[in-house]
Amino acid sequence: QVQLQESGPGLVKPSETLSLACAVSGYSIINNSYWGWIRQPPGKGLEWIGTIYHSGSTYYNPSLKSRVTMSVDTSKNLFSLRLSSVTAADTAVYYCARRVVTTAGPGWFDPWGQGNLVTVSS
Amino acid sequence: DIVMTQSPDSLAVSLGERATINCKSSQSVLYSSDNKNYLAWYQQKPGQPPKLLIYWASTRESGVPDRFSGSGSGTDFTLTINSLQAEDVAVYYCQQFYSTLYTFGPGTKLEIK
Repeated sequence: QVQLQESGPGLVKPSETLSLACAVSGYSIINNSYWGWIRQPPGKGLEWIGTIYHSGSTYYNPSLKSRVTMSVDTSKNLFSLRLSSVTAADTAVYYCARRVVTTAGPGWFDPWGQGNLVTVSS
Repeated sequence: DIVMTQSPDSLAVSLGERATINCKSSQSVLYSSDNKNYLAWYQQKPGQPPKLLIYWASTRESGVPDRFSGSGSGTDFTLTINSLQAEDVAVYYCQQFYSTLYTFGPGTKLEIK
């Protein structure tokens, strides 16, 4: 079955760029699915960051759009997130997830990776 | 943005009893062309990622116990957990996928009384 695993540094300095990758196994990233990033600050709720299709088509949360870049590497079956100019407010567990495509188009997130805690601190 | 709210923020229910969690969207998530509510429910246990429980507001994901059920339409939705088990302790989130700006509710923490 499809599994996702985030990887990346756990500590990023303020003003630098956060970079994370999500390796997909058991499922081809070019299958009919979107791929998303969601974050969760410690003790808080979930915030959608963005979604990407294997073609490179992206949707970003407007609140983060100016700082977010997502990409797909079909040869490695993974997708990535870059978030620039980070501050302490970007400290969170970052999850990657598959966004299901339904007959109607939009769908839910399933499954999710285990998450990668990223702390922004000098 | 479609703003999702949940009530209560937390609740404590006795084992074997029923838990009811409410979710409200700031605008309807019922798509008229297919008569489906674009709403999902997730369960998040401590230290774990969210797990999909229900989609289309009332369709239970494969493998989810039938004590979990979803109902509602338009802007008002409910997650019901019948015969509460100890392993149901978690935070529950609703999420709309009607808009491509996906938004989640703030979560409801469920504990055992």
